[in-house]
Amino acid sequence: AQSVTQLGSHVSVSEGALVLLRCNYSSSVPPYLFWYVQYPNQGLQLLLKYTSAATLVKGINGFEAEFKKSETSFHLTKPSAHMSDAAEYFCAVIFSGGYQKVTFGIGTKLQVIP
Amino acid sequence: NAGVTQTPKFRVLKTGQSMTLLCAQDMNHEYMYWYRQDPGMGLRLIHYSVGEGTTAKGEVPDGYNVSRLKKQNFLLGLESAAPSQTSVYFCASSPGTGVANTEAFFGQGTRLTVV
Repeated sequence: AQSVTQLGSHVSVSEGALVLLRCNYSSSVPPYLFWYVQYPNQGLQLLLKYTSAATLVKGINGFEAEFKKSETSFHLTKPSAHMSDAAEYFCAVIFSGGYQKVTFGIGTKLQVIP
Repeated sequence: NAGVTQTPKFRVLKTGQSMTLLCAQDMNHEYMYWYRQDPGMGLRLIHYSVGEGTTAKGEVPDGYNVSRLKKQNFLLGLESAAPSQTSVYFCASSPGTGVANTEAFFGQGTRLTVV
Protein backbone atom coordinates (compact mmCIF):
# COMPACT_ATOMS: atom_id res chain seq x y z
CA ALA A 1 0.00 0.00 0.00
CA GLN A 2 1.11 3.53 -0.69
CA SER A 3 1.91 5.51 2.43
CA VAL A 4 4.02 8.29 3.89
CA THR A 5 5.78 8.05 7.25
CA GLN A 6 7.29 10.78 9.36
CA LEU A 7 9.63 9.51 12.04
CA GLY A 8 9.35 11.46 15.27
CA SER A 9 6.20 13.38 16.14
CA HIS A 10 8.27 15.80 18.24
CA VAL A 11 11.82 16.98 17.61
CA SER A 12 13.78 19.38 19.80
CA VAL A 13 16.92 21.16 18.70
CA SER A 14 19.01 23.95 20.16
CA GLU A 15 19.09 27.29 18.41
CA GLY A 16 21.89 27.17 15.85
CA ALA A 17 21.90 23.38 15.62
CA LEU A 18 21.14 21.25 12.58
CA VAL A 19 17.49 20.48 11.89
CA LEU A 20 16.71 17.06 10.44
CA LEU A 21 13.11 15.95 9.96
CA ARG A 22 12.59 12.53 8.43
CA CYS A 23 10.09 11.43 5.81
CA ASN A 24 9.82 8.09 4.01
CA TYR A 25 7.29 6.97 1.48
CA SER A 26 6.11 3.60 0.27
CA SER A 27 5.53 3.37 -3.45
CA SER A 28 6.99 1.48 -6.39
CA VAL A 29 6.89 4.61 -8.51
CA PRO A 30 8.55 7.82 -7.23
CA PRO A 31 5.80 10.25 -6.33
CA TYR A 32 5.72 14.01 -6.08
CA LEU A 33 6.97 15.00 -2.62
CA PHE A 34 6.36 18.10 -0.54
CA TRP A 35 7.14 19.64 2.79
CA TYR A 36 4.61 22.00 4.33
CA VAL A 37 4.95 24.10 7.48
CA GLN A 38 2.18 25.06 9.85
CA TYR A 39 2.66 27.85 12.36
CA PRO A 40 0.34 27.96 15.38
CA ASN A 41 -3.29 28.69 14.52
CA GLN A 42 -2.53 29.00 10.83
CA GLY A 43 -3.01 26.98 7.68
CA LEU A 44 -0.26 25.06 5.94
CA GLN A 45 2.15 26.72 3.56
CA LEU A 46 4.53 25.11 1.11
CA LEU A 47 8.21 24.94 2.06
CA LEU A 48 9.46 23.04 -0.97
CA LYS A 49 8.54 20.33 -3.44
CA TYR A 50 10.24 17.61 -5.46
CA THR A 51 8.92 17.00 -8.95
CA SER A 52 11.83 15.01 -10.48
CA ALA A 53 13.76 17.98 -11.84
CA ALA A 54 16.55 17.80 -9.23
CA THR A 55 17.13 15.52 -6.26
CA LEU A 56 18.25 18.34 -3.94
CA VAL A 57 15.48 20.85 -3.52
CA LYS A 58 15.89 24.22 -1.88
CA GLY A 59 12.93 25.89 -0.23
CA ILE A 60 12.06 28.97 1.73
CA ASN A 61 13.60 30.03 5.05
CA GLY A 62 16.86 28.13 4.41
CA PHE A 63 15.30 24.66 4.33
CA GLU A 64 16.24 22.01 1.80
CA ALA A 65 15.38 18.38 1.18
CA GLU A 66 17.05 15.60 -0.75
CA PHE A 67 15.16 12.92 -2.63
CA LYS A 68 16.83 9.52 -2.31
CA LYS A 69 15.10 6.93 -4.46
CA SER A 70 17.11 4.00 -3.08
CA GLU A 71 16.02 4.90 0.44
CA THR A 72 12.52 6.11 -0.53
CA SER A 73 13.21 9.16 1.59
CA PHE A 74 12.75 12.91 1.42
CA HIS A 75 14.28 14.25 4.62
CA LEU A 76 14.08 17.97 5.45
CA THR A 77 17.16 19.77 6.74
CA LYS A 78 18.33 23.21 7.80
CA PRO A 79 21.94 23.84 8.84
CA SER A 80 21.16 26.22 11.70
CA ALA A 81 17.86 26.36 13.56
CA HIS A 82 16.27 29.68 14.40
CA MET A 83 13.64 30.34 17.03
CA SER A 84 11.20 31.28 14.30
CA ASP A 85 11.44 27.74 12.87
CA ALA A 86 9.35 26.38 15.72
CA ALA A 87 6.29 24.97 13.98
CA GLU A 88 4.75 21.72 12.80
CA TYR A 89 6.12 20.25 9.60
CA PHE A 90 4.24 17.92 7.32
CA CYS A 91 5.63 15.68 4.63
CA ALA A 92 3.12 15.18 1.84
CA VAL A 93 2.98 12.96 -1.21
CA ILE A 94 1.07 12.80 -4.46
CA PHE A 95 1.24 9.22 -5.68
CA SER A 96 1.12 8.48 -9.37
CA GLY A 97 -2.35 8.18 -10.82
CA GLY A 98 -5.57 9.42 -9.28
CA TYR A 99 -6.68 13.02 -9.05
CA GLN A 100 -3.74 14.63 -7.30
CA LYS A 101 -4.94 13.58 -3.88
CA VAL A 102 -2.31 14.73 -1.44
CA THR A 103 -1.46 12.27 1.32
CA PHE A 104 -0.01 13.85 4.45
CA GLY A 105 2.23 12.40 7.11
CA ILE A 106 1.21 12.78 10.74
CA GLY A 107 3.44 15.82 11.20
CA THR A 108 6.54 16.61 13.27
CA LYS A 109 6.46 19.40 15.83
CA LEU A 110 9.79 21.17 15.93
CA GLN A 111 10.80 22.84 19.18
CA VAL A 112 13.78 25.20 19.14
CA ILE A 113 15.49 25.66 22.48
CA PRO A 114 17.27 28.95 23.13
CA ASN B 1 -5.00 38.86 -2.57
CA ALA B 2 -7.26 36.66 -0.41
CA GLY B 3 -6.24 33.18 -1.63
CA VAL B 4 -8.36 30.60 0.20
CA THR B 5 -10.89 31.90 2.71
CA GLN B 6 -12.81 29.75 5.17
CA THR B 7 -15.85 30.78 7.16
CA PRO B 8 -16.53 30.54 10.00
CA LYS B 9 -13.22 30.38 11.89
CA PHE B 10 -14.73 28.98 15.06
CA ARG B 11 -17.98 27.19 15.84
CA VAL B 12 -19.50 25.23 18.68
CA LEU B 13 -22.31 22.83 17.83
CA LYS B 14 -24.56 20.65 19.89
CA THR B 15 -24.77 16.97 19.00
CA GLY B 16 -27.30 16.48 16.24
CA GLN B 17 -27.14 20.02 14.87
CA SER B 18 -26.21 20.70 11.29
CA MET B 19 -23.93 23.28 9.76
CA THR B 20 -22.14 24.23 6.58
CA LEU B 21 -18.53 25.34 6.25
CA LEU B 22 -17.76 27.59 3.33
CA CYS B 23 -14.53 27.68 1.38
CA ALA B 24 -13.87 30.29 -1.26
CA GLN B 25 -10.82 30.66 -3.50
CA ASP B 26 -10.03 33.51 -5.85
CA MET B 27 -7.18 31.84 -7.81
CA ASN B 28 -9.35 30.12 -10.43
CA HIS B 29 -8.13 26.72 -9.22
CA GLU B 30 -9.73 23.58 -10.55
CA TYR B 31 -9.14 21.30 -7.58
CA MET B 32 -10.47 21.86 -4.08
CA TYR B 33 -10.22 19.75 -0.95
CA TRP B 34 -11.55 19.45 2.57
CA TYR B 35 -9.28 17.99 5.26
CA ARG B 36 -9.64 17.45 8.95
CA GLN B 37 -6.69 17.73 11.29
CA ASP B 38 -6.59 15.76 14.52
CA PRO B 39 -3.71 15.40 16.98
CA GLY B 40 -1.35 12.60 16.05
CA MET B 41 -3.19 11.87 12.80
CA GLY B 42 -2.01 14.60 10.47
CA LEU B 43 -4.44 15.79 7.82
CA ARG B 44 -7.00 13.37 6.46
CA LEU B 45 -8.90 14.00 3.26
CA ILE B 46 -12.67 14.15 3.68
CA HIS B 47 -13.88 15.02 0.16
CA TYR B 48 -12.42 16.67 -2.88
CA SER B 49 -13.46 18.15 -6.19
CA VAL B 50 -11.66 18.20 -9.53
CA GLY B 51 -13.89 20.83 -11.07
CA GLU B 52 -17.16 22.69 -10.89
CA GLY B 53 -20.06 20.31 -10.37
CA THR B 54 -17.86 17.36 -9.37
CA THR B 55 -17.17 15.85 -5.98
CA ALA B 56 -15.54 12.65 -4.73
CA LYS B 57 -14.97 10.86 -1.45
CA GLY B 58 -11.65 11.00 0.30
CA GLU B 59 -10.28 8.97 3.17
CA VAL B 60 -12.87 9.85 5.85
CA PRO B 61 -16.11 10.92 4.13
CA ASP B 62 -18.71 9.47 6.51
CA GLY B 63 -20.95 12.05 8.16
CA TYR B 64 -20.04 14.79 5.67
CA ASN B 65 -21.44 16.02 2.38
CA VAL B 66 -20.00 18.52 -0.07
CA SER B 67 -21.08 20.59 -3.02
CA ARG B 68 -19.25 22.56 -5.69
CA LEU B 69 -21.90 24.50 -7.55
CA LYS B 70 -19.49 27.29 -8.44
CA LYS B 71 -15.84 26.86 -9.31
CA GLN B 72 -14.67 29.21 -6.59
CA ASN B 73 -16.69 27.70 -3.74
CA PHE B 74 -16.55 24.34 -2.00
CA LEU B 75 -19.04 23.70 0.80
CA LEU B 76 -18.70 21.09 3.52
CA GLY B 77 -21.86 20.06 5.33
CA LEU B 78 -22.41 18.20 8.56
CA GLU B 79 -25.95 16.84 8.60
CA SER B 80 -26.04 15.65 12.21
CA ALA B 81 -22.94 16.64 14.16
CA ALA B 82 -21.28 14.14 16.48
CA PRO B 83 -18.54 14.68 19.10
CA SER B 84 -16.19 12.62 16.90
CA GLN B 85 -16.38 15.45 14.37
CA THR B 86 -14.68 17.85 16.76
CA SER B 87 -11.63 18.85 14.78
CA VAL B 88 -9.89 21.57 12.84
CA TYR B 89 -11.07 21.65 9.25
CA PHE B 90 -8.91 22.93 6.42
CA CYS B 91 -9.89 23.75 2.90
CA ALA B 92 -7.28 23.76 0.16
CA SER B 93 -7.13 24.34 -3.55
CA SER B 94 -4.65 23.58 -6.32
CA PRO B 95 -4.46 24.63 -9.96
CA GLY B 96 -4.93 21.24 -11.59
CA THR B 97 -3.00 18.67 -13.52
CA GLY B 98 0.63 18.89 -14.46
CA VAL B 99 3.90 19.03 -12.57
CA ALA B 100 3.81 22.78 -12.20
CA ASN B 101 0.35 22.74 -10.67
CA THR B 102 0.76 20.45 -7.73
CA GLU B 103 1.07 22.96 -4.88
CA ALA B 104 -1.92 23.14 -2.56
CA PHE B 105 -2.95 26.45 -1.02
CA PHE B 106 -4.63 26.29 2.36
CA GLY B 107 -7.16 28.34 4.23
CA GLN B 108 -6.68 29.37 7.85
CA GLY B 109 -8.84 26.58 9.21
CA THR B 110 -12.14 26.25 11.06
CA ARG B 111 -12.06 25.03 14.63
CA LEU B 112 -15.24 23.05 15.27
CA THR B 113 -16.28 21.71 18.65
CA VAL B 114 -19.27 19.40 18.99
CA VAL B 115 -20.62 19.09 22.53
